[in-house]
Amino acid sequence: DAKTTQPPSMDCAEGRAANLPCNHSTISGNEYVYWYRQIHSQGPQYIIHGLKNNETNEMASLIITEDRKSSTLILPHATLRDTAVYYCIVRSGTGTASKLTFGTGTRLQVTL
Amino acid sequence: SQTIHQWPATLVQPVGSPLSLECTVEGTSNPNLYWYRQAAGRGLQLLFYSVGIGQISSEVPQNLSASRPQDRQFILSSKKLLLSDSGFYLCAWSPGQGLLGYTFGSGTRLTVV
Repeated sequence: DAKTTQPPSMDCAEGRAANLPCNHSTISGNEYVYWYRQIHSQGPQYIIHGLKNNETNEMASLIITEDRKSSTLILPHATLRDTAVYYCIVRSGTGTASKLTFGTGTRLQVTL
Repeated sequence: SQTIHQWPATLVQPVGSPLSLECTVEGTSNPNLYWYRQAAGRGLQLLFYSVGIGQISSEVPQNLSASRPQDRQFILSSKKLLLSDSGFYLCAWSPGQGLLGYTFGSGTRLTVV
């Protein structure tokens, strides 16, 4: 699976949009971009995933560049509860056991 | 709906004692199952994964072993715990096929003393 690069930490004011970047310059054509987050002392939580097109769900939006070498997770109105470590992961969608390899992620701190 | 159960939530064990952590999944069949460990202040490390009963793949050589005696049961074990085995252990499952992501359990915080 392709390697991803994320900033180690970011701050965001409550109510503002949080934009979390991820670089995955070696991504291949059949690899998807996944985002998870881990709130302190809990298991990671799935947020969103995409291949080429931008995606949106009730939690967030995922913007993938046209060349697919980077993406941005957008939390449109961050709240204190969104404080967590956010992981960007690239993996192949094929195969019966597509393992998720977690990097160190971005620690997002939402402040008042 | 599918649910994943992991227990116990916390565990304090002496060095040299055995370990058994259990994880079960409900509401699905033929899941892929995974054990991850997270040391304090570190990222998640994949330890084992399984695509079926009795099929275990190890990612990292260590003092631990895993077994899958039933389709929806995944067990993490050790015969003799080391101090370095302390950490946050997470079980996860994903569908056998398809593009859906992982669902994680609530984790077990193990402290070896």
